[in-house]
Amino acid sequence: AQTVTQSQPEMSVQEAETVTLSCTYDTSESDYYLFWYKQPPSRQMILVIRQEAYKQQNATENRFSVNFQKAAKSFSLKISDSQLGDAAMYFCAYRRTNAGNMLTFGGGTRLMVKP
Amino acid sequence: GAGVSQSPSNKVTEKGKDVELRCDPISGHTALYWYRQSLGQGLEFLIYFQGNSAPDKSGLPSDRFSAERTGGSVSTLTIQRTQQEDSAVYLCASSRQSSSGNTIYFGEGSWLTVV
Repeated sequence: AQTVTQSQPEMSVQEAETVTLSCTYDTSESDYYLFWYKQPPSRQMILVIRQEAYKQQNATENRFSVNFQKAAKSFSLKISDSQLGDAAMYFCAYRRTNAGNMLTFGGGTRLMVKP
Repeated sequence: GAGVSQSPSNKVTEKGKDVELRCDPISGHTALYWYRQSLGQGLEFLIYFQGNSAPDKSGLPSDRFSAERTGGSVSTLTIQRTQQEDSAVYLCASSRQSSSGNTIYFGEGSWLTVV
């Protein structure tokens, strides 16, 4: 079974600074997808960024980028120029490419942004 | 609608009562998922529907939990004889197909409290 681990229950960053959230996963699959979701107090999970395992290039979405290390099974999220609106729970998730493909989530990291 | 819609938003019920939670997926989405999020925890997969195929019920925690999806659209999650440990946010999500490349969109969840 696949597992996703987020070792940082809480992180704090100063506004305009950069923060990196860690995620590791365990799988025997060679092809899969990885995601970072943001969950603000409204509870709705919002997709931040996704990475296909077969792609070597790290995904980037504006201020959000990932460091995907396939051999190490590591998938960290970097938030640059942090904004107050970035404060939320962040969940790392894994999804297989074949059938029966639900998302497997990590335990989450609460990000606080200090003004 | 524009997004995944869930009702009720909040539900308080007495221990031993049955509850029904409803999910309206995004129009045209054939895949529908239910997840449970206990306080301060990550998301736990419950059940997955894809088109007319038999649902993947592998995540349902007990036989008190069941779900239906009528007409390939609206889904209802039913919890019978509720227990206090059932208190959680129940999140519904949908995607266009079951393909792992398709983004999964989440609703805002139904917050269930069993007293």
